[in-house]
Amino acid sequence: EIVLTQSPGTLSLSPGDRATLSCRASQSVTSNYIAWYQQNPGQAPRLLMYGASSRVTGIPDRFSGSGSGTDFTLTIDRLEPEDFAVYYCQQYHSFPFTFGGGTKVEIK
Amino acid sequence: EVQLVESGGGLVQPGRSLRLSCVSSGFTFDDYAMYWVRQAPGKGLEWVSGITWNSGIIEYADSVKGRFTISRDNDKKSVYLQMNSLRADDTALYYCAKGTSYSKSPDDYWGQGTLVTVSS
Repeated sequence: EIVLTQSPGTLSLSPGDRATLSCRASQSVTSNYIAWYQQNPGQAPRLLMYGASSRVTGIPDRFSGSGSGTDFTLTIDRLEPEDFAVYYCQQYHSFPFTFGGGTKVEIK
Repeated sequence: EVQLVESGGGLVQPGRSLRLSCVSSGFTFDDYAMYWVRQAPGKGLEWVSGITWNSGIIEYADSVKGRFTISRDNDKKSVYLQMNSLRADDTALYYCAKGTSYSKSPDDYWGQGTLVTVSS
């Protein structure tokens, strides 16, 4: 099983700041089969990115993803109030699929 | 509009069984893989199980292997999760999610979840 480790656990930032979220895999994720989700309290997760760097239709371009192999990053430029949430990475290359433990982006 | 509606959750004693259902609408169900993901209260997401479009590939998390069974009925546009030998650590909100393709893929639509509580 591929273990995903997200860091930091919590990111305290202000609106307008840039957020950089890390996701590290215990082994290489071939084809960059990494997805990123956003989850707000009491809501289901929402898919933001897939293939490590492809943005889902309708997701603002302030969200971007990068990385390859075992190290992946989600960057949120110019944080908006609605961006303060919990973010999860997921690998869908090998079964069982796995999620990282999440990064909470909170208002400083 | 894509919709996924889960049902079947509830309070159940340890060792008992429960069957979750997820009925879909708004897309061609048999073109896509389907998944179950759970979230324990206050915790992160845990992938539980997945099934490809034609049930050709079925996979489980190690934590549920041998106890849970996923299945789908393409005519009824539904996916199911049969949960046996339930344990307290199975307590969670169970989400049904649609894959973005017929096989390995992330989840682009999610239901609102059905709560399973395992307690005596």
